[in-house]
Order: sequence, then C-alpha cells, then structure tokens
Amino acid sequence: QVQLQESGPGLVKPSGTLSLTCAISGDSITSDEWWTWVRQPPGKGLEWIGQIYDRGNANYNPSLKSRVTISVEKSRNQFSLTLSPVTAADTAIYYCALNTGYSQGAWGQGILVTVSS
Amino acid sequence: EIVLTQSPGTLSLSPGERATLSCRASQSVSSRFLAWYQQKPGQAPRLLINGASNRATGIPDRFTGSGSGTDFTLTISRLEPEDFAVYYCQQYVTSPPGYTFGQGTKLEIK
Repeated sequence: QVQLQESGPGLVKPSGTLSLTCAISGDSITSDEWWTWVRQPPGKGLEWIGQIYDRGNANYNPSLKSRVTISVEKSRNQFSLTLSPVTAADTAIYYCALNTGYSQGAWGQGILVTVSS
Repeated sequence: EIVLTQSPGTLSLSPGERATLSCRASQSVSSRFLAWYQQKPGQAPRLLINGASNRATGIPDRFTGSGSGTDFTLTISRLEPEDFAVYYCQQYVTSPPGYTFGQGTKLEIK
C-alpha cells in the first residue's frame, strides 16, 4: 500500500520560496501514475495546486500557474512543489496525493506551512 | 469555469438517520469525473466515491454516490458516529486539465 510523506520548512517569509517534498513508499514514482499537490488554508476548503506524470508532464491550477512548479526526483522516489513568491494567502496545510483514476486515492498526512516574517 | 456548489453548508443529524448531500455543477460534468471525499478534523481527506457512484476500496456500503449531468448526491444510509465530518465533491476538468472542489458540507451531530 502506497504511503506519502510531506516534508519541508514550516515557516516561509513573505516574497520567499515555499519548497516541499513528498516521499513515496510502497510504490514507484515511475509507475505511470499522476502525482498531485492540494492545499487547504486553515479552516477553509481544498484547493488543487497541480499534478505531474512520471515522465514530467505537469498541469497546474490556472490561478497559481505563474508561481508554481512541480517536479519529479526519480532517484529519490519523490516529487516536489515549489511556490514563489509567497504571501500570507499561501499559508495552508499542503497535501501530496496519488491519483486514482480521476480522483486522489491516497494522501499524505499534510504539512502546515505558514508565511510570516 | 465549472463551479461546484454543495448544499447544505451544514447538516445536523443524529446517528442512525439518513444523510443526503448535494453537489451541483454550473455546467454538465461527466460522471467519470466526479468524486466525493470525507475529511475529519486534523486528517487528510479520504476518497469515498469516484466515477460518481463507485465506492473506493474499503468504503462501507452505507455510502452511495449517484447523479449525472449537473446534479450529484452522496447518501449515507444510516449514520454512524464516525461519519460526522466534512464532505467535499470534486470534478476533473479536461481543458485545461485539472480539478476543482466544492466548498464542502459539514455533517454534524444533532
């Protein structure tokens, strides 16, 4: 059974860069699947950030596209999220997930990232 | 842009009762692309239903998804204490490829 674990800094300064990694166990990132990032501001709903295929094809939320990059690190069996520049509105719990068909069937536990000086 | 609107915003029911949650799309959505999630406090979302009506692995059969076009429903036949949570519907969009979520329905104990 696949397990996902997010990691990265919990605090980022305004105008800085948010960088997170999702480590995958129980599956290979090169297994012809889509891998996704979703975020959730405290007390609010879910927002899809983007997804990447193991060959590097990526799709992004149009509202975030100019600031976000998702990449695959095959040697480490993980994928990453970069968001820059950030503002307080980017404060959220960030989840990585594995797509199941047209949905997300497996999720990491999430990591809270706060944007503050 | 297709917008998903969930209703009600909050639903107050008692264990053993039947819950009916609605997800309405501003334009027609393929049933293949409609999913439902459950989220409990402090936890990641959990996939319940994909393809509008297919239960995900390990999901009890008291959860039923139905609907087509612009109107979709999640029904929980007999509420268990562990079912009280927030529920989200989600759609996949083909152009440009991506996903959007409804704003959620909070199911609380009456």
